[in-house]
Amino acid sequence: DVKVTQSSRYLVKRTGEKVFLECVQDMDHENMFWYRQDPGLGLRLIYFSYDVKMKEKGDIPEGYSVSREKKERFSLILESASTNQTSMYLCAIRAGGYYNEQFFGPGTRLTVL
Amino acid sequence: AQRVTQPEKLLSVFKGAPVELKCNYSYSGSPELFWYVQYSRQRLQLLLRHISRESIKGFTADLNKGETSFHLKKPFAQEEDSAMYYCAPYRYGGATNKLIFGTGTLLAVQP
Repeated sequence: DVKVTQSSRYLVKRTGEKVFLECVQDMDHENMFWYRQDPGLGLRLIYFSYDVKMKEKGDIPEGYSVSREKKERFSLILESASTNQTSMYLCAIRAGGYYNEQFFGPGTRLTVL
Repeated sequence: AQRVTQPEKLLSVFKGAPVELKCNYSYSGSPELFWYVQYSRQRLQLLLRHISRESIKGFTADLNKGETSFHLKKPFAQEEDSAMYYCAPYRYGGATNKLIFGTGTLLAVQP
């Protein structure tokens, strides 16, 4: 079974703080993704990584950066958190093979005060 | 640019009634489409994919290229079907392919 874990289930931060969200997979998958999930807006892709140190912007990268120093770990960084970044953040990996299925982590509910 | 539209934010039906969750897409080329589901307090998971033409938990979805639709259907809704449903085509290009999600439809099945 594919296992995707996220470091925190709930997180509360203050405006201006630097925030790190961690995602870890237990297999050797190359593709990892960060989405944010908001009511009425669905899931929007922030960043993704297709290998160690390789990354590409998604649809809403502003205010975020990412880091992938090891294959199993993909970090989302909020350089200076703002209240409009209050959201549910979902990490996903794409398993290889014919079906291109993505597996998701449990999510991190971030509140920025 | 590829786009996916789920016109209903909320769909409320009674148990035993038919269900149709709408999904329309704009796409160039041959699309690859999926339905994902998120039950309360569970992680987002794959429900079904058009390429395998399968029925999962009684749900089916047919790709209609003429109407550019991929509606999710079930003849008789069950209370346990209550969840958030997302239609998601693949976007090709860039360094890797990626899923692009619709805004989602919350299905509420009343007893």
